[in-house]
Amino acid sequence: AQTVTQSQPEMSVQEAETVTLSCTYDTSENNYYLFWYKQPPSRQMILVIRQEAYKQQNATENRFSVNFQKAAKSFSLKISDSQLGDTAMYFCASGSGNTGKLIFGQGTTLQVKP
Amino acid sequence: DTGVSQDPRHKITKRGQNVTFRCDPISEHNRLYWYRQTLGQGPEFLTYFQNEAQLEKSRLLSDRFSAERPKGSFSTLEIQRTEQGDSAMYLCASSYIAGEGTDTQYFGPGTRLTVL
Repeated sequence: AQTVTQSQPEMSVQEAETVTLSCTYDTSENNYYLFWYKQPPSRQMILVIRQEAYKQQNATENRFSVNFQKAAKSFSLKISDSQLGDTAMYFCASGSGNTGKLIFGQGTTLQVKP
Repeated sequence: DTGVSQDPRHKITKRGQNVTFRCDPISEHNRLYWYRQTLGQGPEFLTYFQNEAQLEKSRLLSDRFSAERPKGSFSTLEIQRTEQGDSAMYLCASSYIAGEGTDTQYFGPGTRLTVL
């Protein structure tokens, strides 16, 4: 069975600073993908970044980057130069390379303070 | 491209009633997924379609739940004899997949169900 664990229920960061959200996962699949999604209050889920597990290079998207440690099954998200609009719940998810089915973690609520 | 849409956005019903939700995926997307999200938790997979074929159903999907995707376009999720435990946000997502691999899922705004 696949599991995704986010051990930080809540985090806060000052505007313009850097914050790292943690995620560990377990999967029996050889072909899988990892994702971070953002869900602002009362708004829909938005993809932040994705990582193909077969790629060693860490994915980056503007201010967002990941630290993918395959052997440790760790997939953390770093947000640089935090902005007030980054305030949201962040979900880590693993995706099956066959079905595409996503398994989500419990989420981390991030508050960016002015 | 108007994104994934879901209707209704909110539904309040009494226990024992039947409800039906609709999801319209992004045009040309061949995969469609249903998830359920309770307050403060991550979404849980319910079922998915590739074109019109329902390929996997979660054990969470009891026999009171049924989903369809006629003609591989929009999808409906019906819950019969609703229970208070069915209260949740029901999310729909779609993606395009060609061959093997996983494409990005785009989520709709969800339908929030409250069972009284």
